[in-house]
Amino acid sequence: TQLLEQSPQFLSIQEGENLTVYCNSSSVFSSLQWYRQEPGEGPVLLVTVVTGGEVKKLKRLTFQFGDARKDSSLHITAAQPGDTGLYLCAGITGNQFYFGTGTSLTVIP
Amino acid sequence: NAGVTQTPKFQVLKTGQSMTLQCAQDMNHNSMYWYRQDPGMGLRLIYYSASEGTTDKGEVPNGYNVSRLNKREFSLRLESAAPSQTSVYFCASRKGQGGGETQYFGPGTRLLVL
Repeated sequence: TQLLEQSPQFLSIQEGENLTVYCNSSSVFSSLQWYRQEPGEGPVLLVTVVTGGEVKKLKRLTFQFGDARKDSSLHITAAQPGDTGLYLCAGITGNQFYFGTGTSLTVIP
Repeated sequence: NAGVTQTPKFQVLKTGQSMTLQCAQDMNHNSMYWYRQDPGMGLRLIYYSASEGTTDKGEVPNGYNVSRLNKREFSLRLESAAPSQTSVYFCASRKGQGGGETQYFGPGTRLLVL
């Protein structure tokens, strides 16, 4: 099993604060994706990172893929209540996806 | 354009009963997936189908069978349900097999096995 550990598991912050979510594994992946999931719905893709050391920005979200392609981070600047949700990372090897354990984020107005 | 649809939305089974979860996509995608989601464990891949006519085991295939009926439909069958199979089941699809391809998820089926 290629387990991806996410930390923290739960995060509750005030609107306007910054935060970072980590996704770590002992396995190397060809690419890594980050998803956000709302209650009662399926995950929705936020970003894909492919190259070791790659950094991608999506408005207030910054995603980084580790140099060794084993880990990744998601940084949110000036969090807003609309950012509330479950954040999942997924490592990809061939046609198989290995999802992380998830980080549940609550942004308090 | 409905995307990925799943039926039923909710199901309650007794131990030993069987059922089939249905999934269909209208995006002409080649690859389809079945996952289960349990608290604290993220999503775990049960089975996937890289193309019509092929299926492969994922991380947790025991107790399940799948059928890729055609390019649109991919069903998941529980032959003899167990309480350990209580979970939320998600179907997903994507166009190809490249690492950067977007995976689209259905709304999920919530299954309770008593």
